[in-house]
Amino acid sequence: KAGVTQTPRYLIKTRGQQVTLSCSPISGHRSVSWYQQTPGQGLQFLFEYFSETQRNKGNFPGRFSGRQFSNSRSEMNVSTLELGDSALYLCASSLEQASYEQYFGPGTRLTVT
Amino acid sequence: GNSVTQMEGPVTLSEEAFLTINCTYTATGYPSLFWYVQYPGEGLQLLLKATKADDKGSNKGFEATYRKETTSFHLEKGSVQVSDSAVYFCALKGSNYQLIWGAGTKLIIKP
Repeated sequence: KAGVTQTPRYLIKTRGQQVTLSCSPISGHRSVSWYQQTPGQGLQFLFEYFSETQRNKGNFPGRFSGRQFSNSRSEMNVSTLELGDSALYLCASSLEQASYEQYFGPGTRLTVT
Repeated sequence: GNSVTQMEGPVTLSEEAFLTINCTYTATGYPSLFWYVQYPGEGLQLLLKATKADDKGSNKGFEATYRKETTSFHLEKGSVQVSDSAVYFCALKGSNYQLIWGAGTKLIIKP
């Protein structure tokens, strides 16, 4: 069974631009969660989607948004990029909402210049 | 609020040494506790978990016991290998179902 895939793997953007990251969960998994990983703040939860609905949200500004499609694939969008948004963005999938077992993708490395 | 504190790294050991990575937590209620591992260039992988007090999670020779009285979930392995070199994250999932992460501990095993 294929693992969680994230595209693109690397991205360079300029301040003020917006970006969209994509995540394809493991086949049959219906929940997708997003995390931001930075050296300073560590790993922080962004949001979780299940059945195309946001079920849980971390403490991030409204510039960070996401959605989930009927095939469980998910996208996250960051608008008006700031230098501090440079991070590794990780996606994790699980069978059900709020599941104990999450499977992580390799991440998208976003650099904002 | 909920939080996780891990020992700072890097932790450098020789092959076959005994490993302990300390993890303590603060949480309301009875969280589930996890250890994840991140190998270089790879995503996070669930290493082991414990969902209630006194549970022992184990996998690949690693163990951790959920100690409610000391609010700890220390990771141990009796004999480490070079291939264990990675970053280890302790995490908890509380009643709001969000994963709260420790800062991570980088482990370096020298042959």
